[in-house]
Amino acid sequence: AQKVTQAQTEISVVEKEDVTLDCVYETRDTTYYLFWYKQPPSGELVFLIRRNSFDEQNEISGRYSWNFQKSTSSFNFTITASQVVDSAVYFCALRDYNTDKLIFGTGTRLQVFP
Amino acid sequence: DTGVSQDPRHKITKRGQNVTFRCDPISEHNRLYWYRQTLGQGPEFLTYFQNEAQLEKSRLLSDRFSAERPKGSFSTLEIQRTEQGDSAMYLCASSTPEETQYFGPGTRLLVL
Repeated sequence: AQKVTQAQTEISVVEKEDVTLDCVYETRDTTYYLFWYKQPPSGELVFLIRRNSFDEQNEISGRYSWNFQKSTSSFNFTITASQVVDSAVYFCALRDYNTDKLIFGTGTRLQVFP
Repeated sequence: DTGVSQDPRHKITKRGQNVTFRCDPISEHNRLYWYRQTLGQGPEFLTYFQNEAQLEKSRLLSDRFSAERPKGSFSTLEIQRTEQGDSAMYLCASSTPEETQYFGPGTRLLVL
């Protein structure tokens, strides 16, 4: 079965702290895509990154970085020097290769306090 | 360039009533998806279209739910005889095949 697990339900940090959000996935597919989305209080899911299973290179975009490790089936997301505007629920998702649907984890609520 | 839009943004209805939601995808996207999100959970896939063809439906989509995309552009999701358990956020997303799905703002449904 295909599954995404985000074990951290809620994380609270103080501004400027670094924070890592964990994501573990299960799939039998050899080719797959992983995603991270951000959901602010307004409710809209905002796309952050897509990663192909063949590309294990880590990626950095400004204060955001992602660590993809096939050996441990993990795709973790780190925010460096967190800001209050980073407060949101973050979802990790796996795309089913055959059907194209996204399978989401339960999300991690991040609260950044000033 | 506009993103995915959904209407209405909020809907309150009484149990037993029918409701219809609309989704307008990004114009060049031929795939359109519907998801449902309940409180504290991640979105769950309901159905998707490629152009006007409905290619997959989840088991979550009971007989009371129907989705259409008649001209391959906008889509509607109708829920008949609403139940309190239908209260959720209904999210629409669009993409080109095998590309990233971009989501709309969602429709929050409350069934009293």
